[in-house]
Amino acid sequence: TQLLEQSPQFLSIQEGENLTVYCNSSSVFSSLQWYRQEPGEGPVLLVTVVTGGEVKKLKRLTFQFGDARKDSSLHITAAQPGDTGLYLCAPRSNDYKLSFGAGTTVTVRA
Amino acid sequence: GAVVSQHPSWVICKSGTSVKIECRSLDFQATTMFWYRQFPKQSLMLMATSNEGSKATYEQGVEKDKFLINHASLTLSTLTVTSAHPEDSSFYICSPGVAGGYEQYFGPGTRLTVT
Repeated sequence: TQLLEQSPQFLSIQEGENLTVYCNSSSVFSSLQWYRQEPGEGPVLLVTVVTGGEVKKLKRLTFQFGDARKDSSLHITAAQPGDTGLYLCAPRSNDYKLSFGAGTTVTVRA
Repeated sequence: GAVVSQHPSWVICKSGTSVKIECRSLDFQATTMFWYRQFPKQSLMLMATSNEGSKATYEQGVEKDKFLINHASLTLSTLTVTSAHPEDSSFYICSPGVAGGYEQYFGPGTRLTVT
């Protein structure tokens, strides 16, 4: 069984500050996806990382996939209130199932 | 991105009754459907996986006779919560996917409250 950990569990920061969310596993990911979920809505895909060492940028969001493909991070620069939400990492299994981490609840205060 | 709808968006029912939740992929054909459940302040937990025209495969701990899944077409899947109890109150989210694709889309969710 793959153990998936996300940290921190909660993060509250002031607008304009930076933040980093981590996703770690005891197993190697074939690929991993990051999602953001707002209250009362379904998750929305942010990015898919596949290659070890890969770095992807989406505006103020930077995603890194560890060289060994066991960990990933999401860094947000100059956070805005619109970044508030539950951030979920989800590795994909070979049968395309997603197993979600516990998530990091991010609150950006104006 | 693909458009996924769920109906109803929220429902309140009495204990012992059954509730049907519909999930539609509006602009693509979903060969696979995943159903998730999310309790307050928690992450999504996969309940079951179904392929069009086949019986669903349930995750460990999920009662197949209680959560009936039908995936009769490539654009529609339904989840029926039978004999609902207060502990079934949760946020149910469907996720249609295309076999072999990286993209997986999520519905907006259905909030079920059992009184």
